[in-house]
Amino acid sequence: DVKVTQSSRYLVKRTGEKVFLECVQDMDHENMFWYRQDPGLGLRLIYFSYDVKMKEKGDIPEGYSVSREKKERFSLILESASTNQTSMYLCASSLLPGTGDYGYTFGSGTRLTVV
Amino acid sequence: AQKITQTQPGMFVQEKEAVTLDCTYDTSDQSYGLFWYKQPSSGEMIFLIYQGSYDEQNATEGRYSLNFQKARKSTNLVISASQLGDSAMYFCAMREGATGGFKTIFGAGTRLFVKA
Repeated sequence: DVKVTQSSRYLVKRTGEKVFLECVQDMDHENMFWYRQDPGLGLRLIYFSYDVKMKEKGDIPEGYSVSREKKERFSLILESASTNQTSMYLCASSLLPGTGDYGYTFGSGTRLTVV
Repeated sequence: AQKITQTQPGMFVQEKEAVTLDCTYDTSDQSYGLFWYKQPSSGEMIFLIYQGSYDEQNATEGRYSLNFQKARKSTNLVISASQLGDSAMYFCAMREGATGGFKTIFGAGTRLFVKA
């Protein structure tokens, strides 16, 4: 069964901490994405990556960075966590557009609380 | 500017009846993709159905179908014969073409409640 695995389901961190959210997929997908989900706002794209060592800013990249050293792993980094980064974080992966499989496969999410 | 609009924050439907969830979108690309995802209370996002901008037929997938009206830029999801397990959040999404960097953007979602 194909999977996107996020390392933590729930996380509580203190303001100012550096936070790493890990995501691993086993489908050999080229694309990987990080979204945050907040009530009434839907999913907002933070960063995405088309290939190893490539990254592109999404709609809300401020306060975040990413790392993709291997094809299967895409990490989201909160350089200095703040309370307004309390949210549900969703990782997703997909094949490149036009390769026949159009939907995203999502991980189960990480609910991050910054106190 | 809002690119994906879901105007129904919440919807109720009686079990076994059909329900339509609305979605409008905005893009200048000619080639784009439209998606619907379901998010049950467990939190996992589940891909339901896809419609390509050049597809002439409305997409169908089991009890799910799309009412795709390209000129109006709308792609409404129709769920037939609603079941209690259909109670969930439903998100409309659009993958833009080259000018949008192939990003997928999501609407705010519609929460569907199926009544027994």
